[in-house]
Amino acid sequence: DAGVIQSPRHEVTEMGQEVTLRCKPISGHNSLFWYRQTMMRGLELLIYFNNNVPIDDSGMPEDRFSAKMPNASFSTLKIQPSEPRDSAVYFCASTWGTKNTGELFFGEGSRLTVL
Amino acid sequence: AQSVAQPEDQVNVAEGNPLTVKCTYSVSGNPYLFWYVQYPNRGLQFLLKYITGDNLVKGSYGFEAEFNKSQTSFHLKKPSALVSDSALYFCAVRDNNYGQNFVFGPGTRLSVLP
Repeated sequence: DAGVIQSPRHEVTEMGQEVTLRCKPISGHNSLFWYRQTMMRGLELLIYFNNNVPIDDSGMPEDRFSAKMPNASFSTLKIQPSEPRDSAVYFCASTWGTKNTGELFFGEGSRLTVL
Repeated sequence: AQSVAQPEDQVNVAEGNPLTVKCTYSVSGNPYLFWYVQYPNRGLQFLLKYITGDNLVKGSYGFEAEFNKSQTSFHLKKPSALVSDSALYFCAVRDNNYGQNFVFGPGTRLSVLP
């Protein structure tokens, strides 16, 4: 299996621009998580989906952030408009099962720099 | 609410010595506990987990962890550290109620000195 695939790996953009990060979870996994990692705040959960349905989006910073999962094999995280404080590494992770016993598999991350 | 504490920001150990990275947790239900490792510019990699059964669990790269319910701890251990073990280590907890989130600790940076 190819693992969780994220794109792009690196993105540099200017303040005010729209940013779209993409994630392909591992085939057969039914839960998908988006995390953000910074030196100051560590690893923060933004949103997670079960069976393509958003379960908890309380970590989404504000209305500038949105996430979708149109099908079991694809998810996007969009920031519009972007701001310098959004600079971080964004991770997508997936897992399986209905009993919470499965471990998370992480992608390699998308490093976002907003100038 | 779930929470995870990793009381040490940094752990230094000499190569060949045993290492311990500490983790304590709080959950409302029964805990499912996980350890992850992160190397520079990489995603988190799963090391091991405790779900039920034997309190001592063994994982990848010679790591093991001991679940202690009375102390609500899940410390990561390795009998003999390698320089290549130097990385950032995260403890995570999830309780047994379906749909609950993974909660990660702040991470502990392990440095193994040659």
